[in-house]
Formats: sequence, structure tokens, C-alpha cells
Amino acid sequence: EVQLVESGGDLVQPGGSLRLSCAASGFSFREHFMDWVRQAPGKGLEWVARIRNKGNNYPTQYAASVEGRFTISRDDSENSVYLHMSSLKIEDTAVYYCAKDRDGAGDYWGQGTPVTVSS
Amino acid sequence: DVVMTQSPLSLPVTLGQPASVSCRSSQGLVRRDGNTYLSWFQQRPGQSPRRLIYKVSNRDSGVPDRFSGSGSGTDFTLRISRVEAEDVGIYYCMQNTYWPGSFGQGTKLEIK
Repeated sequence: EVQLVESGGDLVQPGGSLRLSCAASGFSFREHFMDWVRQAPGKGLEWVARIRNKGNNYPTQYAASVEGRFTISRDDSENSVYLHMSSLKIEDTAVYYCAKDRDGAGDYWGQGTPVTVSS
Repeated sequence: DVVMTQSPLSLPVTLGQPASVSCRSSQGLVRRDGNTYLSWFQQRPGQSPRRLIYKVSNRDSGVPDRFSGSGSGTDFTLRISRVEAEDVGIYYCMQNTYWPGSFGQGTKLEIK
């Protein structure tokens, strides 16, 4: 059974940093692209970041709204993907989901971890 | 960035009746590999999104066959042949032909 479990969400002040983790199981993690998608309170979905697999040299991509502030990484030995967030803004407040990518979109999603940026 | 526009944004449906959601992209979604990376997601109240359809018309494992996807170019449709109570939620289209991937605004399906 595929499982994705996010953790690390917290209340943080504007300008602060946070690292989210996503532990994966039930599939061959190293073969798949992995994504982070967020959802602000009462709002729709926004793609945040993607990391490809080793076969594609792990290239990363970011939404313009987080480029230069967020970094996605993965550890295939730990079956985990991470999102390091810095210079956090109030508008980064959201539930952050990690998703396993297949055929261009997340076919499995975690339960999400909430991030609140507030003073 | 590619803009995805859904309609309607609110969809009241009687149980057992069909329903459809339209999604239009600001540019064509055929990638150089010949595939069209258009997906549909369902988000039930209080739950994570769940993918229903990928590459326009392919149903994900476990998705009831009352859900179907169609379309090409810039116009796509999600159809539910007979709405059931468990279908209540918000439906999103999403393109990943171009980075960044982009979602539609969401269509809220409710039972009349």
C-alpha cells in the first residue's frame, strides 16, 4: 500500500524558516518524481515544487511564488522528500501536501501538514 | 503560465443524474512527446485530493467507471454519469504539460 506521511508543519514568524518532510512507503521511491502542492485556507491547489528522479539527474522546478526561497530535495536511501522553506511570508500559510508523481500528476497524496506564518 | 478556467464553479446535482465540469486551458496542452497532461482531481470535504483521471481520459485504479474524461487541445470535460452522495466535493482540473503545473479554480459539486 502506498503511503505518504508529511511532517514538520508549524507556526512560524514571517521571515522564518521551516523544513517539511515526507516519508514514503509501498512503492519504488527512487523511480518516481515527487511533488509538493499547497492549499491556502479555503482556497484551491497550487503546485509548489517538483524533484525528478536519479535517472533524470534530480532536476528541480519551482513555482515563481517560491523560487529562491524554497528548496526541494530527496534522500532515496531514506525514501523521503523534503521542502526547506525560508524567508517565509504570510501568504505561504497553507496545508502542504506531498504527492507521488505518475503520468504527469500526483496519483497518491499524503494527508498534508499545516504551515502557519504569523507574528 | 498556463491558466486553467473551469465552469461552472458551483454544480448542484440531483442524485442519480449526470453532471459535467468543463475546463479550458489558455494554450494547447499537447507536449512534444505527443501526450496531453491533463488530470482531474476530486477533493472530498476534509480530505486530501485524489486523482481520478490522467492524460485526459485514463481512469486511475479504483475510480468508479461513472467518471470519465474527454477533450483535446484546450477544451476538456469531466463527466459523472450518475451522481452519488459520495461524489460531493470540489473537482479540479490540472495541466502539467508546461511548468509550473496549474490547477483550475475548482468546481464545487453538491446534491440538490
